[in-house]
Amino acid sequence: DAKTTQPPSMDCAEGRAANLPCNHSTISGNEYVYWYRQIHSQGPQYIIHGLKNNETNEMASLIITEDRKSSTLILPHATLRDTAVYYCIAKNNAGNMLTFGGGTRLMVKP
Amino acid sequence: GAVVSQHPSWVICKSGTSVKIECRSLDFQATTMFWYRQFPKQSLMLMATSNEGSKATYEQGVEKDKFLINHASLTLSTLTVTSAHPEDSSFYICSARPGLAVAGELFFGEGSRLTVL
Repeated sequence: DAKTTQPPSMDCAEGRAANLPCNHSTISGNEYVYWYRQIHSQGPQYIIHGLKNNETNEMASLIITEDRKSSTLILPHATLRDTAVYYCIAKNNAGNMLTFGGGTRLMVKP
Repeated sequence: GAVVSQHPSWVICKSGTSVKIECRSLDFQATTMFWYRQFPKQSLMLMATSNEGSKATYEQGVEKDKFLINHASLTLSTLTVTSAHPEDSSFYICSARPGLAVAGELFFGEGSRLTVL
């Protein structure tokens, strides 16, 4: 799986959009970009994933650059409950295990 | 989404005793489950892959005789920490994937916090 790089921490004001970047410059053509988050003392929660096209679901939007070397997870209207560590993972479809990096600790402030 | 449940959610034990943690897939069958460990302020580290009906596959540096994994059915995997010591205190998390989900879409349990006194 390709290495991903994320800022260690970010702050966001409640109600504003939270834009979390992820760099995956060595991603290969068959690797998807997955985003998970982990709220304190809970197991990780799947958010969204994509290959080339931008994706949106009820939780977030995923914007992947045309060269696929980076992506941004967007929480359109962050709430205090979105405070968590967000993990960006590049993974192909072979095997099921996930390798977690350091993630970004997002703090949503009132 | 699919539901994975762990029990107990927290446990305190004395040094030298053994502790069993259960991981259940509640609404799907899982031939493979994964056990992770997370120390405070650190990321999740994969410990082992639990395979139904066969031996678990352990990551480098994880002692298989200390962390016993049993995957006796398609909905249950257990992790037993044998002769626990304070350094085994950690947050243990299991995960599994329904058969029709894409490869990276894993569902995680709530985690089990182990404190060894």
